[in-house]
Formats: sequence, structure tokens, C-alpha cells
Amino acid sequence: SQQGEEDPQALSIQEGENATMNCSYKTSINNLQWYRQNSGRGLVHLILIRSNEREKHSGRLRVTLDTSKKSSSLLITASRAADTASYFCATQLINTGGFKTIFGAGTRLFVKA
Amino acid sequence: DTGVSQDPRHKITKRGQNVTFRCDPISEHNRLYWYRQTLGQGPEFLTYFQNEAQLEKSRLLSDRFSAERPKGSFSTLEIQRTEQGDSAMYLCASSQPGGGLNEKLFFGSGTQLSVL
Repeated sequence: SQQGEEDPQALSIQEGENATMNCSYKTSINNLQWYRQNSGRGLVHLILIRSNEREKHSGRLRVTLDTSKKSSSLLITASRAADTASYFCATQLINTGGFKTIFGAGTRLFVKA
Repeated sequence: DTGVSQDPRHKITKRGQNVTFRCDPISEHNRLYWYRQTLGQGPEFLTYFQNEAQLEKSRLLSDRFSAERPKGSFSTLEIQRTEQGDSAMYLCASSQPGGGLNEKLFFGSGTQLSVL
């Protein structure tokens, strides 16, 4: 099952513009994470925001979290062609056996030079 | 290279054959995941281990799929009697102990399976 759903599914922008992608989730969370995946490669962790945080920055990345709306956004400022990739949000599902990390369907970002 | 290693990178097989993939996690990472990803989709959870114990297997996974992590280090994923619908990228990820719910996953480059 997919906990997070990203929006939009695909995004095409010019180099230098900002890119915003959104993630909605269904259940209570401890934290929400964003990962990046270049074509044909594994995912790379970008940033984690805890449930008691509203905003977090890392370089050109800005993540917000609204637990009342069960949503998060990832903003990439001053985008570069090298930012072209798929971006996924991830959360943990807790059950009696423990917990597991699950991912949304992702947003495909294309940055044109 | 001390990252997560997966072997092989690519596998082409005929329908009905068995295939086995291997994942070597980062040393001392105690949690290990297998995910399946098809084109344009996010990673779909298959199963995960904590040390050598398999804690959960996706209900979507048929009995043709089995995974092991015999000594709590490397893991194997076997698919028996492959079907064309098994064609996908199989991703392995690991995380270090102590992360708890804040675990950060480190991924391998995946094994791309094509079933003809």
C-alpha cells in the first residue's frame, strides 16, 4: 500500500525556477522524509522533518509539514538541470510486528537548461 | 565502496525460470528492505528484516517470492516460476541500528529484471 501520494505526477520547469511538489498521507506520522531518485538508480535520502516541526531547510531544499492537513511540500529553489529526477515522500507504517518505511508514487521533475 | 551492493544489475530470464538476487547492506546495518519498482511508480514494499528475522512480507507477494537473510548480513530474494508481470526493478535498502522511526534508508542501485 502507498501511504504518501505526491502531486503533481510530473513537473517541467526552466533552469533557475523554483519547483514545488506536494505529498499527502493518510495516517498519523512520526516524521516524513523526502528521497530523490535519478533514472535507473536507487533512492537517496534528502531530508527528514519530524511531526512537531513545521519547516526545515537544507541548502536549496525547503520542506514544510502540515499535520492537520496530513500534507507536506518540498520546494527546490533556483533549480538546476542536475535536479532532474524523481522525488518521493516516505513515512513509517507501524504495526504489531514493528514498523516499515513506505513510499508514495513520486513526482517526476524535469529541469530544462 | 561501502554502500549497499546489489547483484546482478540486470537479469534477463525466460518465463518459468527461477531467479535469485543478492543484496549486501552497509556493514552493521541491522534492518534490510526489499522493494519492487515499475516504471513511473514509487517503490512498493515487499519485505523487511531486522537482523536475520523476517518481520513482514507484503500480502501482495505471492508464494513464488521468498527472501532470506541467514546470518543477518547479506540477503537473497528468489522468484520462482517467473512471470512477465515480475519484470521490474528490485531495490534493496538498509538502515543502521538506533534510528527507530527516524530511520534513514540507504539504497542499492537495484536489479532490473526482464522476463521474456
